[in-house]
Amino acid sequence: RKEVEQDPGPFNVPEGATVAFNCTYSNSASQSFFWYRQDCRKEPKLLMSVYSSGNEDGRFTAQLNRASQYISLLIRDSKLSDSATYLCAVSFTDKLIFGTGTRLQVFP
Amino acid sequence: SAVISQKPSRDICQRGTSLTIQCQVDSQVTMMFWYRQQPGQSLTLIATANQGSEATYESGFVIDKFPISRPNLTFSTLTVSNMSPEDSSIYLCSVVISGTGEQYFGPGTRLTVT
Repeated sequence: RKEVEQDPGPFNVPEGATVAFNCTYSNSASQSFFWYRQDCRKEPKLLMSVYSSGNEDGRFTAQLNRASQYISLLIRDSKLSDSATYLCAVSFTDKLIFGTGTRLQVFP
Repeated sequence: SAVISQKPSRDICQRGTSLTIQCQVDSQVTMMFWYRQQPGQSLTLIATANQGSEATYESGFVIDKFPISRPNLTFSTLTVSNMSPEDSSIYLCSVVISGTGEQYFGPGTRLTVT
């Protein structure tokens, strides 16, 4: 079993749609959780940290479920500019382990 | 966050040669890492660059193939030695911001081995 697993997608959604990504992790001792966004041929950029209480930043909401060992990212009112690959990352002892990423394509 | 630069941004190299990639950060950071991202795949951690001591390598990566230097808290190099086409990849350095646990990436070095 992979340490961090994501549905690779692609998720093709129309503008304005709400889309959710899930990510599961295998190490119950994982300490920190993040979502990154990666555009084609660019480096990953930190989108959000994921806290136990969940957190929201504009149209983006991230949640953590420690009991079931998954994190989620919800994007509301999708924009064309949201098209990218979304990577979840889980850390244990300062090392980040990445999922394979979920590709999102928002169409007009 | 941190401003991270890498040199070179890209290179095309012949098999059997070596390439050294530089990573410079605009502030002192404790934790610095080197990752590889092969086409269409996610990021794989190569090693943790330790200041003043030998790097800590992940399974499948060895010092002879990927020697790493970390002379101070703002700079590191990764060398890809005796390259083969399988080494064609994007190599990224990243740093952890103390106190936040947040990790930021450099722009990457796109390496093609012919």
